[in-house]
Amino acid sequence: SQKIEQNSEALNIQEGKTATLTCNYTNYSPAYLQWYRQDPGRGPVFLLLIRENEKEKRKERLKVTFDTTLKQSLFHITASQPADSATYLCAAGGGKLIFGQGTELSVKP
Amino acid sequence: DTGVSQDPRHKITKRGQNVTFRCDPISEHNRLYWYRQTLGQGPEFLTYFQNEAQLEKSRLLSDRFSAERPKGSFSTLEIQRTEQGDSAMYLCASSLVTARAHEQYFGPGTRLTVT
Repeated sequence: SQKIEQNSEALNIQEGKTATLTCNYTNYSPAYLQWYRQDPGRGPVFLLLIRENEKEKRKERLKVTFDTTLKQSLFHITASQPADSATYLCAAGGGKLIFGQGTELSVKP
Repeated sequence: DTGVSQDPRHKITKRGQNVTFRCDPISEHNRLYWYRQTLGQGPEFLTYFQNEAQLEKSRLLSDRFSAERPKGSFSTLEIQRTEQGDSAMYLCASSLVTARAHEQYFGPGTRLTVT
């Protein structure tokens, strides 16, 4: 079955460093990958979408890559801040989304 | 506020009761999605509508679940004869499907607890 996998272990980093989150997909060739941020008790918030023919996409301090050979997307937050602490969800698809389980990021001052 | 709204935000019900949730999408959006999320997991797709037509329903969804979107505006999700395993956060999302844009805008969710 189609599967999206993210690091289930929480990622703890120091303020100012770059956070890198990984998303791998199997049994699937998505045309789009999307990244969302979710805070406790709230719905996910859209961050970035990348298409299969795009290698990289940037938005302010965020960068997403899409490697169709490795079947992987990397999500980077540069110059991280404590306010970036949240769970980050990777999702495949352009309509119906298949989500990974999310990676919790904690940025310490 | 022009975002996606959901009602109620919290629902506690006894096993065997029926519950209904409502979602009001962003007004110009033509697609509406329902997802379910349990603790520590990502959202799981349930069903979606384009305008008033229900285009897909998850094979994992039992017959106790039904959704409607009359007139292509708000949507309701009903769960009949609730079970403890139905306890979860139910999320609604909407999107405007064009050639380029597929991002989804989520509501705050309805947290269901079945006792």
